[in-house]
Amino acid sequence: EPEVTQTPSHQVTQMGQEVILRCVPISNHLYFYWYRQILGQKVEFLVSFYNNEISEKSEIFDDQFSVERPDGSNFTLKIRSTKLEDSAMYFCASSERPSVGTEAFFGQGTRLTVV
Amino acid sequence: AQSVTQLDSQVPVFEEAPVELRCNYSSSVSVYLFWYVQYPNQGLQLLLKYLSGSTLVKGINGFEAEFNKSQTSFHLRKPSVHISDTAEYFCAVSDSGTYKYIFGTGTRLKVLA
Repeated sequence: EPEVTQTPSHQVTQMGQEVILRCVPISNHLYFYWYRQILGQKVEFLVSFYNNEISEKSEIFDDQFSVERPDGSNFTLKIRSTKLEDSAMYFCASSERPSVGTEAFFGQGTRLTVV
Repeated sequence: AQSVTQLDSQVPVFEEAPVELRCNYSSSVSVYLFWYVQYPNQGLQLLLKYLSGSTLVKGINGFEAEFNKSQTSFHLRKPSVHISDTAEYFCAVSDSGTYKYIFGTGTRLKVLA
């Protein structure tokens, strides 16, 4: 069964460093998302991406964050100058098309720990 | 803005007992509702969704949910749980203006032998 793959599963980084979280969406999917979950809190929407551009972003997704689809398969989230409060589980998701009610398929998540 | 409330952070229940996980959402003209499950060390998996039509929605693994517009609720139920149902369950909503999901805080279901 096709699945969304995220790497690494766990990343530890020093405060102030840049990290890149990687995702391989399901191959025929066109719409991509990043969500995050700070420990004990809600899963929060960060950004959606379609047709090589950001479709929607939340207030959390400020200039510290960027997304890219560098090739036909990967979808990355870059976090510049990480802060302690960026520690969270980051989920990538993809769906076939941008349509209300279309199921989003989620990856296993990358646990980011900023020390 | 849409919001989702899952009042129970943890629900312990004995095997073969029924369970209900509660979810309430803020009112909207058109709303689409989802339940996702996260098993340990895995991603989020769709259990079921309500888009329109019948208010009783059946999903995978014997789960069902009922959309109640007057109470703005979408509670998840299973008549008889198994140990393998131990997981975290997330309720989510999207509305007609966006494709993103707004999630609740999750309910950790622990099935006891």
